[in-house]
Amino acid sequence: DIVMTQSPDSLAVSLGERATINCKSSQSVLYSSNNKNYLAWYQQKPGQPPKLLIYWASTRESGVPDRFSGSGSGTDFTLTISSLQAEDVAVYYCQQYYGTPYSFGQGTKLEIK
Amino acid sequence: QITLKESGPTLVKPTQTLTLTCTFSGFSLSTSGVSVGWIRQPPGKALEWLALIYWDDDKRYSPSLKSRVTITKDTSKNQVVLTMTNMDPVDTATYYCAHRTGYSTFDIWGQGTMVTVSS
Repeated sequence: DIVMTQSPDSLAVSLGERATINCKSSQSVLYSSNNKNYLAWYQQKPGQPPKLLIYWASTRESGVPDRFSGSGSGTDFTLTISSLQAEDVAVYYCQQYYGTPYSFGQGTKLEIK
Repeated sequence: QITLKESGPTLVKPTQTLTLTCTFSGFSLSTSGVSVGWIRQPPGKALEWLALIYWDDDKRYSPSLKSRVTITKDTSKNQVVLTMTNMDPVDTATYYCAHRTGYSTFDIWGQGTMVTVSS
């Protein structure tokens, strides 16, 4: 099974500043035949279901603000929020869909400093 | 517009069987490439994938729960059903169903249904 580990567990960033969340997989989620990383990022606000932000490690879901970006390949990935807004306060999860059992990171709680 | 909604009991007793229904609209589970999954989240904890059913009735399960979980679909009713046997208090969680297309990930989620396991 692929284990997903996020860092840090929590993060406090000032409004307008950059926020960076890391995600590491225990094995590569890069599928060589199509050169795609089977890695997604979700945002979850209290009392709401997760919302898909990024898939294929760097493709932004329709309607997601462009301050959200994903990068990385293989086993190491990053979600970056370029200029933190108040509405970005949430818990963020990475997830691999390279193979079953699909697995999520433990989550990173993002707050305003 | 794709929507999914989970329904089922809010409280079950230990050792009982849980049956949850995901009723969806905006897509057909008979369309090639489409699948629906179940994911749960204990209070204050992370997400855990449980099961997935494909348009062709192929199924995948979490190995840690495979002996207890069954996923089925009723294409005519636009429903996916999750059954989990021998419920325990550690199974207390919000249970979500979610839509998936092709080899990508879960793009649309239901609002979730909270299930408490207690005597």
